[in-house]
Amino acid sequence: AQSVTQPDIHITVSEGASLELRCNYSYGATPYLFWYVQSPGQGLQLLLKYFSGDTLVQGIKGFEAEFKRSQSSFNLRKPSVHWSDAAEYFCAVGDYNFNKFYFGSGTKLNVKP
Amino acid sequence: GAVVSQHPSWVICKSGTSVKIECRSLDFQATTMFWYRQFPKQSLMLMATSNEGSKATYEQGVEKDKFLINHASLTLSTLTVTSAHPEDSSFYICSARTGENRGYTFGSGTRLTVV
Repeated sequence: AQSVTQPDIHITVSEGASLELRCNYSYGATPYLFWYVQSPGQGLQLLLKYFSGDTLVQGIKGFEAEFKRSQSSFNLRKPSVHWSDAAEYFCAVGDYNFNKFYFGSGTKLNVKP
Repeated sequence: GAVVSQHPSWVICKSGTSVKIECRSLDFQATTMFWYRQFPKQSLMLMATSNEGSKATYEQGVEKDKFLINHASLTLSTLTVTSAHPEDSSFYICSARTGENRGYTFGSGTRLTVV
């Protein structure tokens, strides 16, 4: 069965510190992977996506993610976190035919000044 | 870029009434739209897939008679919550395929409160 796991419900980092948000997926076919960010009361904004090619993808706002097929992971990283990055982050997986799209449970990021 | 406009942003309604939520693709044609529901402090759960000109496909456990989806044109999909009850209070959000290389775009969401 398809599933997306984000093991960390809450993460707190200091401003300027590095960040890594974990995402593991279980998917029977070639996955199409996404990271989205949701600010309080807002919709979702796409940070980056992976479909094929280079396994290290760059996104907006200085985020990047690395697809590791052997580990079924697609972890999100940022070298230096800004206070404005505080939000909830969702990892998602979809199939090539766009028939299904599954979200992880989300990781809420707090940024300490 | 591809934009999905969702209205209203928030709505308060009385129990027993119906509420319609609209999602419009502004600069592209959306043959497929997805409707999600998000309970407080939880992730988004896919409710249904809406295909232009055909019946929506509902996920298991979603009442199709309660959550009516209409996708009559390539730029508009609507979700109607019929006979709303307080337990229907939630954040509803739609998304649309924008093409193979552009992925999905999400609406800004609708906060529904049923009193």
